[in-house]
Amino acid sequence: SQELEQSPQSLIVQEGKNLTINCTSSKTLYGLYWYKQKYGEGLIFLMMLQKGGEEKSHEKITAKLDEKKQQSSLHITASQPSHAGIYLCGANQISSGSARQLTFGSGTQLTVLP
Amino acid sequence: GAVVSQHPSRVICKSGTSVKIECRSLDFQATTMFWYRQFPKKSLMLMATSNEGSKATYEQGVEKDKFLINHASLTLSTLTVTSAHPEDSSFYICSASGGLDTQYFGPGTRLTVL
Repeated sequence: SQELEQSPQSLIVQEGKNLTINCTSSKTLYGLYWYKQKYGEGLIFLMMLQKGGEEKSHEKITAKLDEKKQQSSLHITASQPSHAGIYLCGANQISSGSARQLTFGSGTQLTVLP
Repeated sequence: GAVVSQHPSRVICKSGTSVKIECRSLDFQATTMFWYRQFPKKSLMLMATSNEGSKATYEQGVEKDKFLINHASLTLSTLTVTSAHPEDSSFYICSASGGLDTQYFGPGTRLTVL
């Protein structure tokens, strides 16, 4: 099965600082999803990447998928306390079929100090 | 759009009783729903995949007789934890997909079995 490794496991930054979270796969990623979770709550969809070299941005968050489609990064610019939470990457396990199952990374706990 | 609700958000029950958790897609038709379990400070673990009108597919190690899943309509799936025991205490999250689309997650249900 596909394994996803996230790094770092936890991150504490000062408000206003930039940060990057990485997600690395042992296999080719057919679809890479980034979610944010507050502890004890559901997951909020952030972005989905499919094509090698793809990059998407929403507000101050940018996600990239490398050309080989085995690594993705999530970059937050000028972090704010509202960015705090657990960031999870998830990937499709198979290349075709409907509503494909997701395998999740272990998550990155982000704390933003005011 | 793409809102998924779960009910109840929290439930406390006695050991040996059964608990039903509902997952609803509020503004789209979910051909596939997924049920996950999450332990404290851990990532999501897929329990089962259910397609509307057919039997759920359970992941290895998940007891199908213990965790009954029903996906009777395109907007509702239920997870029933039968004869619950303290080790079943966990955070259960569902997600719903309209096909090849992104999975949208519910807010989760915290189950505590006394």
